[in-house]
Amino acid sequence: RKEVEQDPGPFNVPEGATVAFNCTYSNSASQSFFWYRQDCRKEPKLLMSVYSSGNEDGRFTAQLNRASQYISLLIRDSKLSDSATYLCVVINQAGTALIFGKGTTLSVSS
Amino acid sequence: DAGITQSPRHKVTETGTPVTLRCHQTENHRYMYWYRQDPGHGLRLIHYSYGVKDTDKGEVSDGYSVSRSKTEDFLLTLESATSSQTSVYFCAITENPTTGYTFGSGTRLTVV
Repeated sequence: RKEVEQDPGPFNVPEGATVAFNCTYSNSASQSFFWYRQDCRKEPKLLMSVYSSGNEDGRFTAQLNRASQYISLLIRDSKLSDSATYLCVVINQAGTALIFGKGTTLSVSS
Repeated sequence: DAGITQSPRHKVTETGTPVTLRCHQTENHRYMYWYRQDPGHGLRLIHYSYGVKDTDKGEVSDGYSVSRSKTEDFLLTLESATSSQTSVYFCAITENPTTGYTFGSGTRLTVV
């Protein structure tokens, strides 16, 4: 089993849609979780950290299920500018480096 | 972000030649990382540093070496470049990995 697995998509949605991305991770001892966003030919940028209680930042909601080793990202009221690749990220067992999923591509159309 | 810069931004080199990529930070962060990103593989860790002269290998370290002689610079060297090392290389920094990283803009390396 790969350390971080994501559905690669692409997810093609109209503006205003709600879309959810899921991710599973293999190391049950992981303590830190993130979602990064990467635009085409650009560097990844931190979108949000994921906390055990779940957290929200505007239209974005992240959830963590430790029992199932599952992380999700919900985007409400999608905008054209949300089109990007979303990377699920988990810290390694030693707590020294991040492990990245291969990413899920989102395309929002008008 | 202005706090981390990578050089060069683009490079084309021939198979068998040595290549050094530079990552420079002005944030005084403890940790620095080199990743490569390839289609179908995502971001994979090559090497990282947790202090001056302190480095460790990542998932795909074969064919690469690193050096960190001062806090602000982390160098990645391909001793003898191969076509399989054609990739986009990203440097990242953080003071604490549990809070996430900031990435540089990347170096696009082509080995012909």
